Amino acid sequence: KAGVTQTPRYLIKTRGQQVTLSCSPISGHRSVSWYQQTPGQGLQFLFEYFSETQRNKGNFPGRFSGRQFSNSRSEMNVSTLELGDSALYLCASSLDGQEETQYFGPGTRLLVL
Amino acid sequence: QKEVEQNSGPLSVPEGAIASLNCTYSDRVSQSFFWYRQYSGKSPELIMSIYSNGDKEDGRFTAQLNKASQYVSLLIRDSQPSDSATYLCAVLTSYNTDKLIFGTGTRLQVFP
Repeated sequence: KAGVTQTPRYLIKTRGQQVTLSCSPISGHRSVSWYQQTPGQGLQFLFEYFSETQRNKGNFPGRFSGRQFSNSRSEMNVSTLELGDSALYLCASSLDGQEETQYFGPGTRLLVL
Repeated sequence: QKEVEQNSGPLSVPEGAIASLNCTYSDRVSQSFFWYRQYSGKSPELIMSIYSNGDKEDGRFTAQLNKASQYVSLLIRDSQPSDSATYLCAVLTSYNTDKLIFGTGTRLQVFP
């Protein structure tokens, strides 16, 4: 069974731009969670989508948004990029949101210049 | 106070020794605790989960939970160089919504 895939793997943007990241979950998984990982803050929860609905949300500004499609694929969007948004963005999929079945994708490394 | 705290390390242990990784958390009502391993340049992978006080063993790994002290630990017996990685403690908290809160991780180095 294929794992979680994320595209693109690397991205360079400039301040003020916006970016869209994509995540394809493991087949059959309906929950997709997004995390931001930085050296200083570690791994921080952004939001979780389940059956096309945002089920949980972390403490990030409204510039960070996401959505999930009927095939469970998910996208996250960051608008008006700031230097501090440079990070590794990880998505994780699970059958129904249970952490025991959660698998992480390889991540998208975003650099904001 | 951070919600989940870990010593950043590095924790250096010789091959064959027991590595002890510790984590404290602030949410008293947390019920679910997880340990993830993250190799450099890779994504985290779940290695242990624990929900009740006491020990839970899985191969060379033992997770220990003490809810009264808000403390969870991971013991790695017979440490191998391949265990060298960052270990992330994660706690499922219910402050506002159910979400997984991660510590910043402890880097473990196992030397031959």
